[in-house]
Amino acid sequence: DADVTQTPRNRITKTGKRIMLECSQTKGHDRMYWYRQDPGLGLRLIYYSFDVKDINKGEISDGYSVSRQAQAKFSLSLESAIPNQTALYFCATSDLPTSGRAADTQYFGPGTRLTVL
Amino acid sequence: RKEVEQDPGPFNVPEGATVAFNCTYSNSASQSFFWYRQDCRKEPKLLMSVYSSGNEDGRFTAQLNRASQYISLLIRDSKLSDSATYLCVVLTDSWGKLQFGAGTQVVVTP
Repeated sequence: DADVTQTPRNRITKTGKRIMLECSQTKGHDRMYWYRQDPGLGLRLIYYSFDVKDINKGEISDGYSVSRQAQAKFSLSLESAIPNQTALYFCATSDLPTSGRAADTQYFGPGTRLTVL
Repeated sequence: RKEVEQDPGPFNVPEGATVAFNCTYSNSASQSFFWYRQDCRKEPKLLMSVYSSGNEDGRFTAQLNRASQYISLLIRDSKLSDSATYLCVVLTDSWGKLQFGAGTQVVVTP
């Protein structure tokens, strides 16, 4: 079984609809992230969470919200979807950096392809 | 200006040949650098980390040039399975915020 799973894998919705993307992990990591990927652009950070009680905005959080229901679960919501939110969304997890390292490897889920019509 | 810039390619490489490409970053305070590999429509996966002046992992060599603010990736003896998009990733924050480049596409041909 995959360590980081995302549901749904594909979703087509209409403008104005509320959408929730879910992410679950079995790696036991405290840190979780949501990114979106658009053609010609790098992955951009939407929100991140270092533990259940910690939620932080990334560089493109407008129009999105998140919920960290448990260490293993991190959900991304689009309250009122718009066409420019059409993108590939990735959830990722990472462990706390080990001594001497500023960042640890991020492990990505398989992605959710979202289309907003 | 983007914080991390890459040549999008594609780099078309005959099987068995060597290919190299660079990534430039704008934040001179950046400390850690990574190469991730992404297959078409799949999730990125860590290929290698670049923590000091560079390192080698089998057929892959990453180099860091702090003075000119770029890192490079060299692939020797290219395999068909090396066809992918290679993402340059830079640590820009002390807590671990990563900046991703848009990727360089490599296509290895028979």
